[in-house]
Amino acid sequence: DSGVTQTPKHLITATGQRVTLRCSPRSGDLSVYWYQQSLDQGLQFLIHYYNGEERAKGNILERFSAQQFPDLHSELNLSSLELGDSALYFCASSVVHLRDGYTFGSGTRLTVV
Amino acid sequence: DQQVKQNSPSLSVQEGRISILNCDYTNSMFDYFLWYKKYPAEGPTFLISISSIKDKNEDGRFTVFLNKSAKHLSLHIVPSQPGDSAVYFCAASAKVDSGAGSYQLTFGKGTKLSVIP
Repeated sequence: DSGVTQTPKHLITATGQRVTLRCSPRSGDLSVYWYQQSLDQGLQFLIHYYNGEERAKGNILERFSAQQFPDLHSELNLSSLELGDSALYFCASSVVHLRDGYTFGSGTRLTVV
Repeated sequence: DQQVKQNSPSLSVQEGRISILNCDYTNSMFDYFLWYKKYPAEGPTFLISISSIKDKNEDGRFTVFLNKSAKHLSLHIVPSQPGDSAVYFCAASAKVDSGAGSYQLTFGKGTKLSVIP
């Protein structure tokens, strides 16, 4: 157990629908990062929150949004889902300094049918 | 624009031999480099890292080498074991602004290592 909790582990939904992925960071970590891993692709950075504030955006579609709440958990909202959104979505957390890198959750596998 | 590149999608090595995984980067602002290991159905786990002011860091069977002039780093695993079979991601860190919590990692696409018994 890495200490980063992602729910749900698996999600199957239809095109056009909206889903919410949840992440609880490791205790004490203020940063939360969301990554997408599609088939045969690396880890694509989506968005970074630090202590409730958005710090950086990567290749995140306008149909996707995220937020980090006062208790530091984060949610990634995916709307108007398309078949191509099927992927593994990882959340990671870190302290301020990156000497030990990020700690990743086990991911949410989203399948859009 | 891929700032961190792992040009070998896969690598097969005999058990007991050395595994060498390579990574190239283009951004001179990267100041810290990390390797992650990923098993199927699990999240990536941190393996080893190196600061840009060093050229080598060793942890047990794992050694990372950094050649800043060539913008190249490599991960050596000696001796390789079947349990090392996984996807290995190279990542590079840059500070995106002067505020707190402003580090960001950029990942390569990964190299799938298969260690043959």
